[in-house]
Amino acid sequence: EAQVTQNPRYLITVTGKKLTVTCSQNMNHEYMSWYRQDPGLGLRQIYYSMNVEVTDKGDVPEGYKVSRKEKRNFPLILESPSPNQTSLYFCASSFRGDTGELFFGEGSRLTVL
Amino acid sequence: ILNVEQSPQSLHVQEGDSTNFTCSFPSSNFYALHWYRWETAKSPEALFVMTLNGDEKKKGRISATLNTKEGYSYLYIKGSQPEDSATYLCASPGGATNKLIFGTGTLLAVQP
Repeated sequence: EAQVTQNPRYLITVTGKKLTVTCSQNMNHEYMSWYRQDPGLGLRQIYYSMNVEVTDKGDVPEGYKVSRKEKRNFPLILESPSPNQTSLYFCASSFRGDTGELFFGEGSRLTVL
Repeated sequence: ILNVEQSPQSLHVQEGDSTNFTCSFPSSNFYALHWYRWETAKSPEALFVMTLNGDEKKKGRISATLNTKEGYSYLYIKGSQPEDSATYLCASPGGATNKLIFGTGTLLAVQP
């Protein structure tokens, strides 16, 4: 089954404690992306990747890092989480970034205390 | 930053009503226009990706049109059903950067 898998789905953590949200897709997609969803603001892009070892900033990259060492995986790293990073995070992939439909993971709800 | 705007913000209709909502985007450097359906507690799912001016796409009772010259797309739902209740998102790439910019969505509630 074609899918995008994120983990963890839910996480409560404390300020400053590094965490990683994993994302994996099994569709051999070139393009992967991370979004955050906050009330009233819509989905905002954090980082995206056009291919292995190619990543670029979205509109809200501050406080996040990503890596793309393998085609299927695109982890999101919060080196020192802060309360303003409390949000619902979605990973998505597509065969190409502009005209390919996005396949979304189930979302990861993160709370930073 | 590319602005993608959707209206209305929310819509309440009765079962059987037909409805439509709008997505507007800058018409310069247009690449594509995406529509997604997002049900509560689920992930967004793609409805359509449209690239050509005048494009019309249809999936069951849902259809969409695209006008790239004036920078808008309409999503139509014919004979709304309660299971159509969801947030409908549109998105467009920010030019050649592959930054897909989403609107804030239209929340549709269909009353039985």
